[in-house]
Amino acid sequence: NAGVTQTPKFRVLKTGQSMTLLCAQDMNHEYMYWYRQDPGMGLRLIHYSVGEGTTAKGEVPDGYNVSRLKKQNFLLGLESAAPSQTSVYFCASTRQGAPNQPQHFGDGTRLSIL
Amino acid sequence: SQELEQSPQSLIVQEGKNLTINCTSSKTLYGLYWYKQKYGEGLIFLMMLQKGGEEKSHEKITAKLDEKKQQSSLHITASQPSHAGIYLCGADINSDSWGKLQFGAGTQVVVTP
Repeated sequence: NAGVTQTPKFRVLKTGQSMTLLCAQDMNHEYMYWYRQDPGMGLRLIHYSVGEGTTAKGEVPDGYNVSRLKKQNFLLGLESAAPSQTSVYFCASTRQGAPNQPQHFGDGTRLSIL
Repeated sequence: SQELEQSPQSLIVQEGKNLTINCTSSKTLYGLYWYKQKYGEGLIFLMMLQKGGEEKSHEKITAKLDEKKQQSSLHITASQPSHAGIYLCGADINSDSWGKLQFGAGTQVVVTP
């Protein structure tokens, strides 16, 4: 059982380049999330989705776009990468948004913007 | 400002000693989750607490939820090298948007021989 899979695991971009991070889950979860993790700041929610075809903004959405065309996939896009977007990105999923459903995380994508 | 404060930020403990990590919220806790993260890896779910006074244990790790203090503690008994890593607490603090967890900044645990 793969759980939550993120690709790629590492990437280096130049300022202004674009890229898409892919998150795939095989647990038939409704809710999916994208976080970024920076030193001393914990995890911050970028965007999330409560079901196929839906997306919503989180705490730090600027500079990112997302799409959830299929229930199992959640894509995070950077249209014009900036050095401030250097971070570790985590995808998570949960069965439903309720106060008794732990989120399951992928192994992360380490992204460096030069 | 952090709505979820973890303390300490880091700690070094000798193998075999106990350790405690605290997670304090400035808002009502509707659900509290503890995760462990090893460097370069994702977050591994440890435990979930929902009700005030609730206490859960798994192997040598015990988590408690103090509803009055809006605080949770994670206690590791007789620490081992396998306990090293970063421990994060996450919480449901918004009753109108379940699943949008707030996370603490994490506590780095180092276990020395």
